[in-house]
Amino acid sequence: AQSVTQLDSQVPVFEEAPVELRCNYSSSVSVYLFWYVQYPNQGLQLLLKYLSGSTLVKGINGFEAEFNKSQTSFHLRKPSVHISDTAEYFCAVTTTSGTYKYIFGTGTRLKVLA
Amino acid sequence: GAVVSQHPSRVICKSGTSVKIECRSLDFQATTMFWYRQFPKKSLMLMATSNEGSKATYEQGVEKDKFLINHASLTLSTLTVTSAHPEDSSFYICSARKGTSGYEQYFGPGTRLTVT
Repeated sequence: AQSVTQLDSQVPVFEEAPVELRCNYSSSVSVYLFWYVQYPNQGLQLLLKYLSGSTLVKGINGFEAEFNKSQTSFHLRKPSVHISDTAEYFCAVTTTSGTYKYIFGTGTRLKVLA
Repeated sequence: GAVVSQHPSRVICKSGTSVKIECRSLDFQATTMFWYRQFPKKSLMLMATSNEGSKATYEQGVEKDKFLINHASLTLSTLTVTSAHPEDSSFYICSARKGTSGYEQYFGPGTRLTVT
């Protein structure tokens, strides 16, 4: 079985500062990894995904994430945040075969302060 | 593209009534759709996997008689919350997978259900 841990439930950061949102996963088989953003009362928007290849993945809105197999991590980063980045961020994992069920982390609330 | 819609976006119903939520894939065929429930300030919990033309597969702890899922066509899955109670109030999100294989899910915008 797979699991995803997002240790930080809330991350406050000042506008134009860098941010890192942490995600660790557990799995005995190969996985695909995702980061989604959710604005209030809206569905999920895909930020980026790791399938294979280069461990540094670039996504939309200036976000990037690095897959680290040895540390089983997939941390999300942005060098300079904006007020509009305030939202809930979810890390998710699925297996590379089988039912492809997504397992989500508990989410990290990013609050960008002026 | 891969657009998934949900209807309604918000619904308020009285306790004891049933409410139906629709999930549609607008520009692709979806053999498999998923239904999630999201509690306030919590993560998404997979409720069930809906397969076109067959019975849904429910996750452990989800009452299949309370949350009826019908996937009658390749573009439509419905979730009916039967005899709704206030504790069923939640944000329900569906997702769809293209074709018959592949990993990627495309998410709908969600439906806010409030039971009074």
